[in-house]
Amino acid sequence: AQKVTQAQTEISVVEKEDVTLDCVYETRDTTYYLFWYKQPPSGELVFLIRRNSFDEQNEISGRYSWNFQKSTSSFNFTITASQVVDSAVYFCALSDIDTDKLIFGTGTRLQVFP
Amino acid sequence: GAGVSQSPSNKVTEKGKDVELRCDPISGHTALYWYRQRLGQGLEFLIYFQGNSAPDKSGLPSDRFSAERTGESVSTLTIQRTQQEDSAVYLCASREVAGTYTDTQYFGPGTRLTVL
Repeated sequence: AQKVTQAQTEISVVEKEDVTLDCVYETRDTTYYLFWYKQPPSGELVFLIRRNSFDEQNEISGRYSWNFQKSTSSFNFTITASQVVDSAVYFCALSDIDTDKLIFGTGTRLQVFP
Repeated sequence: GAGVSQSPSNKVTEKGKDVELRCDPISGHTALYWYRQRLGQGLEFLIYFQGNSAPDKSGLPSDRFSAERTGESVSTLTIQRTQQEDSAVYLCASREVAGTYTDTQYFGPGTRLTVL
C-alpha cells in the first residue's frame, strides 16, 4: 500500500530561521512521483515541486530546496531564511505514474513569526 | 489562462438532503480528479476520470457518493442523503495528458460543504 507520513504536525519558527519539513513515503512501485504542495490560509493548493523517482538530484529554487533520498524513502523540504508569508500548511504527496492519483500526507503547519 | 473553477464556493445543507458540486477543469485537460479534505487533515482521493475510460471510483467512501463527467469538460460530484461526516472541503483537480507527456495536477479553490 502507498503511504505518506509527515510526522511533524506543527512547526513554529522566527523569521529568517531555516526550517526543514520531513516527508517519508512507502510504495511498492519502482516508478513514482513525489510532490510538495503549499496550502496558505486562503485554502488553495499551490504546487511547489514534482520529482520523478528516477531523479535523485536535489533541487533548489530560490529559498526552497528539496532533498530526495531513495535509500531512506524520504523527500524533505527546506525553507531557508523563512518569511512570514511562508506560513501555511505544507503537504507531501506520492502518485503512481499511470493514474497520477495523489496520496497525501497529513500536512505540516508552519508558522513563521516576525 | 483560466484555472480550475468550482461552484459553489460554500454550501450549507441539512442532513439528509442531496447536494451537487461542480468542477470546470482547465480547457484541454483530459484527466480530472476529486479529493476531499476534512478539517485539519490531508486530502483523500475520491474519483478519477481520464478521457473516455471508465472512471476510477476506488476512493468513493460510500454509495451515497457519485460523480459524472461530460466528455472532457465539466464534472459533477453528487452526495445523496448527506450526513454530518460529509462536511469537508471538496477539491477538484485537472491534468493534461497528451501521449506520454503528463503535467502535474492543478487544483481548484474547493467547495466547502457544511452539513447541519
